[in-house]
Amino acid sequence: EIVLTQSPATLSLSPGERATFSCRASQSISNYLAWYQQKPGQAPRLLIHDASNRATGIPARFSGSGSGTDFTLTISSLEPEDFAVYYCQQRSNWPQTFGQGTKLEIK
Amino acid sequence: QVQLAESGGGLVKPGGSLRLSCSASGFTFSGYYMSWIRQAPGKGLEWVSYISPDNSYISYAESLKGRFTISRDNAKNLLYLQMNSLRAEDTAVYYCARDFDYDLLTGYFDYWGQGTLVSVSS
Repeated sequence: EIVLTQSPATLSLSPGERATFSCRASQSISNYLAWYQQKPGQAPRLLIHDASNRATGIPARFSGSGSGTDFTLTISSLEPEDFAVYYCQQRSNWPQTFGQGTKLEIK
Repeated sequence: QVQLAESGGGLVKPGGSLRLSCSASGFTFSGYYMSWIRQAPGKGLEWVSYISPDNSYISYAESLKGRFTISRDNAKNLLYLQMNSLRAEDTAVYYCARDFDYDLLTGYFDYWGQGTLVSVSS
């Protein structure tokens, strides 16, 4: 099973700042990685698929990059509604697995 | 618009059974792979199972060891998860989720229901 390790566990930033999330895979997963956003009491929302493709309706301030084992999600300028937990997920190898999440909190 | 709505969760004793349902609307349900994904309280996400549009391909997380059964009724736009021999560690919110692409198993999930809570406790 591929293990995804996300860092940091918590990110404390202010609106308007740039946020960078990291996801590292235990073995190469090519570009088969997605990012999700989850707010309290809500279901996850697909942001990025195949490492760098924004899902339908996702604002341009969200971008993804990386391949192989190292991936990054960037929010260029934080909006108040962006404070949430972010998960990465791989679909390269069965079973698809998720990272443990990074909580983005308001500083 | 695409909507997924889970039901059937609740409190059950260890060793008990529960059947979850997911009602789908707003899209051609019979054309998509569907999955169940769970989230233990305060924890991360864990994929549970998927089923192909025509019921021919089914897969489960290894940890479930045959206790769960996924099924679907395309005529009724319903997805099911039969859970037997429940354990405390099965306590979680269970989400149904649609695979990203039509008639293709991508392994990404673009629509999720709001989830139903399953609590296993004596």
